[in-house]
Amino acid sequence: NAGVTQTPKFQVLKTGQSMTLQCAQDMNHNSMYWYRQDPGMGLRLIYYSASEGTTDKGEVPNGYNVSRLNKREFSLRLESAAPSQTSVYFCASRGRGIRGELFFGEGSRLTVL
Amino acid sequence: DAKTTQPPSMDCAEGRAANLPCNHSTISGNEYVYWYRQIHSQGPQYIIHGLKNNETNEMASLIITEDRKSSTLILPHATLRDTAVYYCIVRVDNNNDMRFGAGTRLTVKP
Repeated sequence: NAGVTQTPKFQVLKTGQSMTLQCAQDMNHNSMYWYRQDPGMGLRLIYYSASEGTTDKGEVPNGYNVSRLNKREFSLRLESAAPSQTSVYFCASRGRGIRGELFFGEGSRLTVL
Repeated sequence: DAKTTQPPSMDCAEGRAANLPCNHSTISGNEYVYWYRQIHSQGPQYIIHGLKNNETNEMASLIITEDRKSSTLILPHATLRDTAVYYCIVRVDNNNDMRFGAGTRLTVKP
């Protein structure tokens, strides 16, 4: 039972390079999320997807694009990486219902030089 | 969504109760209060949630004031493993937007 799986776990990029963070969940959840966490800070919501085929901006969407490929997968793309995007990125999914708790992946540590 | 205010840090002695406050003075009638915690650099973990009534589970208790403008998460017997950042979130049930804020860094000391 994998839960939420993120790849890659670590990545180093040069300024201007592009990359895609992959996220997959096996819990049949409708909603999926991407957060970033800078050192010593709380999590900030980048984008979320309430269901397959829909995406919405969160607090800090600039510089990112997302794709909800199917119900299982939600990817985050950096088209032209900047040093300010150095962070730990977390993907999460959430089930239905009032409890609707978030389940998080292990995080992806991205460094942009 | 209503915003929350939490103290940036708190200390607690091992074995004592840890009481973590959260202010959500602009909360709406249909917004739930959720608590999560993040240990080290792991992804946050759900603890508990409530609407009006106090709630208790195997991890913690949640006390919500009658006017719902504030709440307190109680860890009844804190252990060193409870050292973490604790986040208070308010959310409308049918709203998928989940924002965390800065949280409270709880340090449990021996």
